[in-house]
Order: sequence, then structure tokens, then C-alpha cells
Amino acid sequence: DAKTTQPNSMESNEEEPVHLPCNHSTISGTDYIHWYRQLPSQGPEYVIHGLTSNVNNRMASLAIAEDRKSSTLILHRATLRDAAVYYCILRKSGTASKLTFGTGTRLQVTL
Amino acid sequence: GAGVSQSPSNKVTEKGKDVELRCDPISGHTALYWYRQSLGQGLEFLIYFQGNSAPDKSGLPSDRFSAERTGGSVSTLTIQRTQQEDSAVYLCASSLKWNTEAFFGQGTRLTVV
Repeated sequence: DAKTTQPNSMESNEEEPVHLPCNHSTISGTDYIHWYRQLPSQGPEYVIHGLTSNVNNRMASLAIAEDRKSSTLILHRATLRDAAVYYCILRKSGTASKLTFGTGTRLQVTL
Repeated sequence: GAGVSQSPSNKVTEKGKDVELRCDPISGHTALYWYRQSLGQGLEFLIYFQGNSAPDKSGLPSDRFSAERTGGSVSTLTIQRTQQEDSAVYLCASSLKWNTEAFFGQGTRLTVV
């Protein structure tokens, strides 16, 4: 299975944009890129996912490199409530594909 | 219910005892996942059910662990002869289809003493 590489931790100031990188150089053509986050003492929650094109939703934007070997999750204005561990996950197309979490990036947001 | 429900929320058991953890997924969701998370660690995949297909059990750490999903709805994770290293938060998630967002429950905190 293709693997993802994320920085262990990042810091951001409140109200600033945050760009969380993810490298996936061995991604295959059928791998979807999913992002989840886990707030302290809670279960993970879905953020966004995409295949080839950039995606936007109410929570974030996902920018996917043209060669798909990397992607960036963009939080447009970080708040204290965005402090969490952010997981970048590759998921193959098909019903047999499970959702496997790596170690993620711990985002700290400060005033 | 509005979301994924897990019970009990907390379970303390003695080493060597069997435990059953229950997950009620969101109604109509075909995919169901179990994970465990030890203190300060990431999520460890355990098992994945998708519709009527055979479950993916590749993450179960030993034959003491088993899970079933009855009628495509409720799932039970059973741990036999519990050990102290089984102490963790056990999380269940469900999704409408394999490729749609997964919704997680609040987890069951298992403590083996």
C-alpha cells in the first residue's frame, strides 16, 4: 500500500491560514486522498477528500499536486478549535479498501 | 440515532476475563470499522465490514480478538482472556458506502487490571 509522510507537528497563529502538507510519492492512479482530524479526547472526524482536482468544502480546501505525489490541506483561518491531529490517508478505489490511519500532524494554534 | 453509538463508554475488567464491546452504526450505513487507540498513540486498524462481503480482519492483533456484525447493523467486538496490553480506547466508525465519509463514535475506554 502507498504510504503518506506528514510532519509530526506544526504551529499556527489564530486567524492565520494553515497549510498542512502530505507527501505520497508512491500513490497509484486509483488512490483517493482523504483527510481526517482528531480533536483532543474525541474520535476522528472527516475533513475532506479528493482524487485529482482541488476540492473545497465548508471546513477546508484540498490542493492536489499535478503529479499527485503530494497534497496540502488548507485551513483558511485557523481557530483554537482547529487544534487537532490531522491525518492524510490514501484509500484505494473499491469496496475492499479499508481506511488506515498513520501518525498524522499535530497542529497547535496559538493566540 | 443521530450518530454512531458505542457501549459501554468505559469498561474495567480483570486480566483473563472476556469483554464485549458494542457498536450501533448510523442506520443504513453499509461500512463499519473498528480501531483501537492506546494512550498517546495513533489509530490502529482492527477490522472492516462492508455490506455482505467477508470482513477484512487483517488488523486483529491475535486470535483472542473477534468481531461480528449481525444483520448488517450492530457490531460486537469480543476480546477473550484480556491482557493488560489490551487497555485502550476502542473506536467504531460507519460510512454510508465504502468511499463516503466515516463517522466515528465516542469510543469505549477499556482498562484491564
